Amino acid sequence: DQQVKQNSPSLSVQEGRISILNCDYTNSMFDYFLWYKKYPAEGPTFLISISSIKDKNEDGRFTVFLNKSAKHLSLHIVPSQPGDSAVYFCAAVNSGYSTLTFGKGTMLLVSP
Amino acid sequence: ETGVTQSPTHLIKTRGQQVTLRCSSQSGHNTVSWYQQALGQGPQFIFQYYREEENGRGNFPPRFSGLQFPNYSSELNVNALELDDSALYLCASRSGLAGGPANTGELFFGEGSRLTVL
Repeated sequence: DQQVKQNSPSLSVQEGRISILNCDYTNSMFDYFLWYKKYPAEGPTFLISISSIKDKNEDGRFTVFLNKSAKHLSLHIVPSQPGDSAVYFCAAVNSGYSTLTFGKGTMLLVSP
Repeated sequence: ETGVTQSPTHLIKTRGQQVTLRCSSQSGHNTVSWYQQALGQGPQFIFQYYREEENGRGNFPPRFSGLQFPNYSSELNVNALELDDSALYLCASRSGLAGGPANTGELFFGEGSRLTVL
């Protein structure tokens, strides 16, 4: 039973355009949501997070939107750059337990 | 400030053998957790240690065990290896209490140890 789902295994975008990565969750107890980026041969690195009491968090080119009623979040990257090409993992946490539940990841390819 | 380091980076074992993976947490971090990332999957939580005590465990059998040392470094031990144990094993660290309102889930990951079981 997957509690965090990323239904798109891959996404291709042209440089300068917007990348939108989607994530759905089923567990209502999750109260923080995070995005991690992973390059080959490296560990995941934290990108951006959002608390369940907010619906938007922005950090430079990266914005995460949360729709609690739909149990859906998305990561927007504007403008996309070739260096953004990586696997993006959506993760969720119940702050009372501190463990992350990850989705399967979406591989983003940004072409020049 | 040194990050999370793991060793070995790659190793090959045969079914039934035992393996020990090591992790040095980021300076100042007292909570260490281990995740297993199988091919095509997201990382899955194995267990977490806070101040040398296990503090949370995922859905993994007892042959997966761990230790945390006074300097907050950690080991993951897997006994009786099975083919399905082939995966990237990720260590992550953070500071502070293992749970509670201050926990926002941000973890600092190492590069991982890639285990192949033949």
